[in-house]
Amino acid sequence: GENVEQHPSTLSVQEGDSAVIKCTYSDSASNYFPWYKQELGKRPQLIIDIRSNVGEKKDQRIAVTLNKTAKHFSLHITETQPEDSAVYFCAARRYNTDKLIFGTGTRLQVFP
Amino acid sequence: GAGVSQSPSNKVTEKGKDVELRCDPISGHTALYWYRQSLGQGLEFLIYFQGNSAPDKSGLPSDRFSAERTGGSVSTLTIQRTQQEDSAVYLCASGTPVGGSNEKLFFGSGTQLSVL
Repeated sequence: GENVEQHPSTLSVQEGDSAVIKCTYSDSASNYFPWYKQELGKRPQLIIDIRSNVGEKKDQRIAVTLNKTAKHFSLHITETQPEDSAVYFCAARRYNTDKLIFGTGTRLQVFP
Repeated sequence: GAGVSQSPSNKVTEKGKDVELRCDPISGHTALYWYRQSLGQGLEFLIYFQGNSAPDKSGLPSDRFSAERTGGSVSTLTIQRTQQEDSAVYLCASGTPVGGSNEKLFFGSGTQLSVL
């Protein structure tokens, strides 16, 4: 079955710096890769997603890149702000299923 | 309702008791998921439903765990003979099928289960 590994588990950055979170997946048939953000005490919410037919996708300060050959994808946050502080989860889904497998999460702290 | 609703929000039980957790998905969402989140940990996949059927039950930790969904809507996750290691937040999510125009999952606020 699918296995998703996520690194780092914790990440601390200064406000204004960039943050990068990386994930690798095991199932080469996976074709959908979303990222969810979970603020403290709240439910996870989708922030961006990418499909396997695209190499990069951007939405304001957030971008995701996908390397299908290496089976890894990354979340990039530029000009970080304190409100970006949260736990971020990557996930992967095989093309013929609804099963979504999440990574172990990255706790991002942005210091003012 | 406007979002995914879970009940109870908190459940404290004694070791060995059975518990039932409920999830009411967003109307029209055919896919429904159960995840478990232990303190400071990731989202552990338990089971998902497409309509009333569960194509993949591989994430259920043991045979003490079961889930059902009726009428393509409400789902219940049952844990029999609870153990202390079952203590966690149980999250439910719903969404539209693969290939839909919007594949975003909407999560409920979870049930915090504490087994004493």
